[in-house]
Amino acid sequence: NAGVTQTPKFQVLKTGQSMTLQCAQDMNHEYMSWYRQDPGMGLRLIHYSVGAGITDQGEVPNGYNVSRSTTEDFPLRLLSAAPSQTSVYFCASSQFRGGHHFGNGTRLTVT
Amino acid sequence: TQLLEQSPQFLSIQEGENLTVYCNSSSVFSSLQWYRQEPGEGPVLLVTVVTGGEVKKLKRLTFQFGDARKDSSLHITAAQPGDTGLYLCAGATASGTYKYIFGTGTRLKVLA
Repeated sequence: NAGVTQTPKFQVLKTGQSMTLQCAQDMNHEYMSWYRQDPGMGLRLIHYSVGAGITDQGEVPNGYNVSRSTTEDFPLRLLSAAPSQTSVYFCASSQFRGGHHFGNGTRLTVT
Repeated sequence: TQLLEQSPQFLSIQEGENLTVYCNSSSVFSSLQWYRQEPGEGPVLLVTVVTGGEVKKLKRLTFQFGDARKDSSLHITAAQPGDTGLYLCAGATASGTYKYIFGTGTRLKVLA
């Protein structure tokens, strides 16, 4: 039982490049979400999904896309990377009213 | 925009001291969670509180949800170096939702 697995752990992109951050969970949780964590700003919700085929925007969705084709996977796509997207990205899963189970994060630097 | 403000932002104390961390909002939350995060890792859930006025204890940690469900506190008794970390509160934005708003965090350092 691996919990929530995020890949890659580290990534450096040039401005304008695109990439996909991968997230997979093996707990059969309905809810999955992506957050970014910046110094002094806590965790901010980017996108979330309440089940396969259903996604919605969080607090800071601009510049990011998601899809949820299976219960297990919830990838986050950066369409055209910008320096403002330099951050640590966390994926999480949970059941209704349950606690978030977080991955160990992807540290992204955009130059 | 709903906000969850935590205070203090930083706290450095000696081993054995007591401390309280606060999580405040002008909004009502249907439930509230506390997490602890260590460097290089994701946050780990400590507790979920659901009912206004609810108090939960986890060893030396005591969590309270305000009567009006707008605020919460975390009290640590006899802090130990192992308590060092970033403490985050998170409130569910409305009943029946999975969406949580996270606080800005309190960074605690306990010195031996």
